[in-house]
Amino acid sequence: DAGVIQSPRHEVTEMGQEVTLRCKPISGHNSLFWYRQTMMRGLELLIYFNNNVPIDDSGMPEDRFSAKMPNASFSTLKIQPSEPRDSAVYFCASSLGRRVTEAFFGQGTRLTVV
Amino acid sequence: SQQGEEDPQALSIQEGENATMNCSYKTSINNLQWYRQNSGRGLVHLILIRSNEREKHSGRLRVTLDTSKKSSSLLITASRAADTASYFCATVSETSGSRLTFGEGTQLTVNP
Repeated sequence: DAGVIQSPRHEVTEMGQEVTLRCKPISGHNSLFWYRQTMMRGLELLIYFNNNVPIDDSGMPEDRFSAKMPNASFSTLKIQPSEPRDSAVYFCASSLGRRVTEAFFGQGTRLTVV
Repeated sequence: SQQGEEDPQALSIQEGENATMNCSYKTSINNLQWYRQNSGRGLVHLILIRSNEREKHSGRLRVTLDTSKKSSSLLITASRAADTASYFCATVSETSGSRLTFGEGTQLTVNP
């Protein structure tokens, strides 16, 4: 397996534009996580899915953020409209099993909003 | 807010020395994991310790867990320059088996 695949690797956009980040988890994994990493706030859990169902989205900063998982092999994180403070590295991770014993991370998407 | 807090925030040692990083957490856990992150890369799982375990070894890594103090430590023995990275602890709570919450991380620099 190629691991967790995220796209794009880098994204530069203007304030107010819509941004869509994409993630393909490892085949067979049933949990998927979206994290945001910044120097100031560290690694924040935004939302996680179990069997394609959103379980906890309490980390989503505001209504401008939304995430979907239409099937077991694809998830998106959308920011609309984007703001400069959304600039960060966004990671997707997946894991197998009812309890998380090992999460596999993608390479991340570095988002810059100017 | 993050579940765990790592200590120290930054650690600089010479090659061959041992590196110890500590992690504290707040709630009851099912397991605690340590991850490593090289600059600009995703996190990589290193080792897991369950709440009923007190110590675990994997190669040059040694992890301890004290549930009464809600703390864990990661020891890297005989460090190498290639160990330079950020190290994070992450917890899975007893009640929410799918939620993986990370601490702030320790930046380790191993000087050759």
